[in-house]
Amino acid sequence: GAVVSQHPSRVICKSGTSVKIECRSLDFQATTMFWYRQFPKQSLMLMATSNEGSKATYEQGVEKDKFLINHASLTLSTLTVTSAHPEDSSFYICSAEKNTEAFFGQGTRLTVV
Amino acid sequence: GENVEQHPSTLSVQEGDSAVIKCTYSDSASNYFPWYKQELGKGPQLIIDIRSNVGEKKDQRIAVTLNKTAKHFSLHITETQPEDSAVYFCAASIADSTLTFGKGTMLLVSP
Repeated sequence: GAVVSQHPSRVICKSGTSVKIECRSLDFQATTMFWYRQFPKQSLMLMATSNEGSKATYEQGVEKDKFLINHASLTLSTLTVTSAHPEDSSFYICSAEKNTEAFFGQGTRLTVV
Repeated sequence: GENVEQHPSTLSVQEGDSAVIKCTYSDSASNYFPWYKQELGKGPQLIIDIRSNVGEKKDQRIAVTLNKTAKHFSLHITETQPEDSAVYFCAASIADSTLTFGKGTMLLVSP
């Protein structure tokens, strides 16, 4: 199957700082990528749809100024958590579609202290 | 929008037994139903999917069935093994649209 690589897998940052998470499609081009957030023992919650060359589409309740998404190329989307706070601590997962199938990255465990 | 319900939330079986996880969906226009396996600390991995033009699909020990009339689909795992232990998510989507996930089922296979 297709490969989606997410980096870093774990990150710890101080409150008030920003953290960037990368999502790459390694063997295919993805005009659309998706960013999810997952709390412990819960399902994946779609945060936003990242569109190459245009603005991301955010789900209701997701602050676009806090969760900055950039999809500058057909193989890379980035999610930047700005001015992070402890409540932003979570597991963030990206996905990209190839032939209508979704392939997920390994996830990023963000801990804000 | 689409709503996907998944049951049970937890499932414990003995090694060698079968496991069945069921999902229902609300939008009759949904036509793609993937199943994902998520191990602790990792992203979900697609294990099998089915489209609305078929009623059943098998891949070795894993099978998925779809009842469009009742709007439900199920994952069947036969001859379960301890390495099948994980959280399983069902999802539904209309072609080229975003996935809506169920809440997940934690499967525990005891040796």
